[in-house]
Order: sequence, then structure tokens, then C-alpha cells
Amino acid sequence: GEDVEQSLFLSVREGDSSVINCTYTDSSSTYLYWYKQEPGAGLQLLTYIFSNMDMKQDQRLTVLLNKKDKHLSLRIADTQTGDSAIYFCAERNTGFQKLVFGTGTRLLVSP
Amino acid sequence: DTAVSQTPKYLVTQMGNDKSIKCEQNLGHDTMYWYKQDSKKFLKIMFSYNNKELIINETVPNRFSPKSPDKAHLNLHINSLELGDSAVYFCASSQDLGSAGVRETQYFGPGTRLLVL
Repeated sequence: GEDVEQSLFLSVREGDSSVINCTYTDSSSTYLYWYKQEPGAGLQLLTYIFSNMDMKQDQRLTVLLNKKDKHLSLRIADTQTGDSAIYFCAERNTGFQKLVFGTGTRLLVSP
Repeated sequence: DTAVSQTPKYLVTQMGNDKSIKCEQNLGHDTMYWYKQDSKKFLKIMFSYNNKELIINETVPNRFSPKSPDKAHLNLHINSLELGDSAVYFCASSQDLGSAGVRETQYFGPGTRLLVL
């Protein structure tokens, strides 16, 4: 299967933590990625995690992977207004050598 | 120091016309991709090329023809444009394909916004 699902919207206040969730169906996924898309811009790679890891931390970003439940999350600590964007998770589909993107989560950070 | 660049940034054209979008990467990558993002922001791969050879053609109409003159360029030509072709088209590149490692991490261009009237 190739489905990657995300919730469509998330609204938080500046300074709070944001958690963006993603579920996928391909159990053979090797790498999973988080990309950020600001309005009118391309996709910026934020971070990635290898499937044999449970967690990866990179400054304000924490990625959690539950391979059993095929669930990936991105936590942004101390969320800032500049973090407002659409966040895409993507899985690397082993069989078809391509990235399958989620539907995107629109994060809105209010002051 | 642009990594992946696309031209034009905006393209407005009439139905039935033929148009091209150009993509260049200066990262020394072997693999390049074209994606289409629709109005709901859904992003889907169209093509991938590795060392100028077509690897993925994701059931795209044959009005779309990618051309890779060299590893650093992957252009997208669209014939007989239709209203449904209106979207944002993203080019991307990665160091490698098939190694299932960080060398497959994809870097995206800024996108070309195509509007067909």
C-alpha cells in the first residue's frame, strides 16, 4: 500500500509545543522524512529517520517512530510564528524506489 | 548558490498550448524527479530519472514528456495543455537512487506555478 495520512490542520500558540502526526502503510519503508513548505515556496527537508531508530532529536525537532503501529510524529518545541507552514511526512517506498508523501498538515502558530 | 532551480516560476497559458518547464541542479546528483502538487497541496511523483535514464513514470499522460539532456538537467514538456494541468510542479534531485540510504534524500526546487486558462 501507498497511503500516508496526516491530519489537515493544527493550531498552537507561540511558545507551545506542536506535535504533527503521520501514519503510513508500507511496512518495508526504510527512511521516513519530514518536509516543510512555507507559502509560495518549495519543500525544505527538515529531518529524516531511519526505520531501525525510535527517536531522533535535532535542536527543536524531535521525531518519534513507532514501527509496529506505522506511526511517525514530529514534535516542535517552543513553536514560533515562523514555524507556520505545511508539514509533509514522506516514506521511502522500497519496492518502487520513490517517496510517497502524506497529505500535509497546515500548522498555524498564533502570537 | 542555488541548489535546485526551476524556470519559469510562473506560467500562465491557454488550453491547447505546448509549454516547457526547465530544471537544473548544481549538487552533482545522479537522480532527478518531477512532482505535481494540486490545489489541495497533495504532492505526487510524476517521473524520476537516474543518470539520464527514466526510472519511474507514474501513469502520467503521454502529453507530458520529460527530457534529460545531462545529469544536471531534467526538463518537462507538456503538449496540448488542459485545465486540469493547472498545478505547482516541483523538480527535485537526490544523490542516488536505489541505495535506500541518506543518498536518496531529495532536495526540492522552488516550484513552477502553472495556470491553464
